[in-house]
Amino acid sequence: QVQLAQSGAEVKKPGSSVKVSCKASGGTFSSYAISWVRQAPGQGLEWMGGIIPTFVKANYAQKFQGRVTITADESTSTVYMELSSLKSEDTAVYYCARDREEYGLYYYMDVWGKGTTVTVSS
Amino acid sequence: DIVLTQSPGTLSLSPGERATLSCRASQSLTSRYFGWYQQKPGQAPRLLIYDASSRATGISDRFSGSGSGTDFTLTISRLEPEDFAVYYCQQSGGSPPEITFGQGTRLEIK
Repeated sequence: QVQLAQSGAEVKKPGSSVKVSCKASGGTFSSYAISWVRQAPGQGLEWMGGIIPTFVKANYAQKFQGRVTITADESTSTVYMELSSLKSEDTAVYYCARDREEYGLYYYMDVWGKGTTVTVSS
Repeated sequence: DIVLTQSPGTLSLSPGERATLSCRASQSLTSRYFGWYQQKPGQAPRLLIYDASSRATGISDRFSGSGSGTDFTLTISRLEPEDFAVYYCQQSGGSPPEITFGQGTRLEIK
């Protein structure tokens, strides 16, 4: 049974960066896409981008291009999401989630982490 | 960009009733890449339906999905207390690939 364990809550200043980790256990890592989805307080879900670790190259939503970097470390089965130039509007819960299909290009996410709360405040 | 619009925003029903949730896309979709999620307060979303009408692993047969093109529906046949939650539709596609969510429908107890 695959599980995704995310790093702990973060409090950041506007203009800084945050790096959140997502460690997979209990299943195959490299061939499944891991996406990052965020949810601002009281709002809906927003896909930020993802990576299939064995392919190395990440894909990003247009809205976050240039501000988000998603990387993977196959040796530790961990995916990272770094968001830069933080604004108060980036305050949200950030989820990592694994794609349902092996080598699936961001189709459906059927395993989710518990979420990491990122608060951006001066 | 594809926009998904869910209706209604809030649906108030009683346990035992049938729920019908809608999702309309701004352009025709490939059903292969359309799904539904359930989210309860304080929890991560859970995949319910993929490929427009296939139930994900472990999902009750009270949940069914239908639709094609631009109009999709999630039906919950007999509401149980645990079904009251927020439901999101989702589509994926494009090159480079992207995932888009609807704004959500809140299903509340009447």
